[in-house]
Amino acid sequence: DIVMTQSPLSLAVTPGEPASISCRSSQSLVHSNENTYLDWYLQKPGKSPQLLIYLGYYRASGVPDRFSGRGSGTDFTLKISRVEAEDVGVYYCMQGLQNPFTFGPGTKLNIK
Amino acid sequence: EVHLVDSGGGLVQPGGSLRLSCAASGFTFSTYWMTWIRQAPGRGLEWVGNIKADGSEQYFVDSVRGRFTISRDNAKNSLHLQMNSLRAEDTAIYYCVRNLRGDYAFDYWGRGTLVTVSS
Repeated sequence: DIVMTQSPLSLAVTPGEPASISCRSSQSLVHSNENTYLDWYLQKPGKSPQLLIYLGYYRASGVPDRFSGRGSGTDFTLKISRVEAEDVGVYYCMQGLQNPFTFGPGTKLNIK
Repeated sequence: EVHLVDSGGGLVQPGGSLRLSCAASGFTFSTYWMTWIRQAPGRGLEWVGNIKADGSEQYFVDSVRGRFTISRDNAKNSLHLQMNSLRAEDTAIYYCVRNLRGDYAFDYWGRGTLVTVSS
């Protein structure tokens, strides 16, 4: 199975400041079709997870443009250009390249 | 508007069975892969398994393969997860999830239904 790791596991950010979360996979997530099967999800407190980014860098419908996904191969980053209070929650990366799809352990973002 | 309503969770003894259901609306259910994802209390997300749009293929994580099956009724826009030989470690919130395209990316999630396996 592909193992996903994330860092940091928690971070506290001042509103208006940027934030960055790293995700690493145990093998390349690039498919032969040249797509990179890496998604980012946010689970807000008490809510179901929501899709933020898919195929490495495509923003899902309705996701603010302050969220961006970068990276390739095995190393990926989710960037929030200016954190807002509504961004608190746990961020998960997930590989969709091969079954079983696997998630990272999650990164908890709090507001300072 | 897309809606996924999970149901069927509850308390079950180890070794018992439970059938979860998901009622889908607001989209052409028969054209989408569907997935079940679970989350143990206070823990992270775990992909459980998925089913192709026409129901012809299913895939599972090793820990549930042979005990869980996924089925769908495209005429009734419903998805099911049959769970047999349940173990304490199956205790979790189970989410019904729609795949964005093909079998990847999860764009709509149900609210989840809690399954507790305990004597």
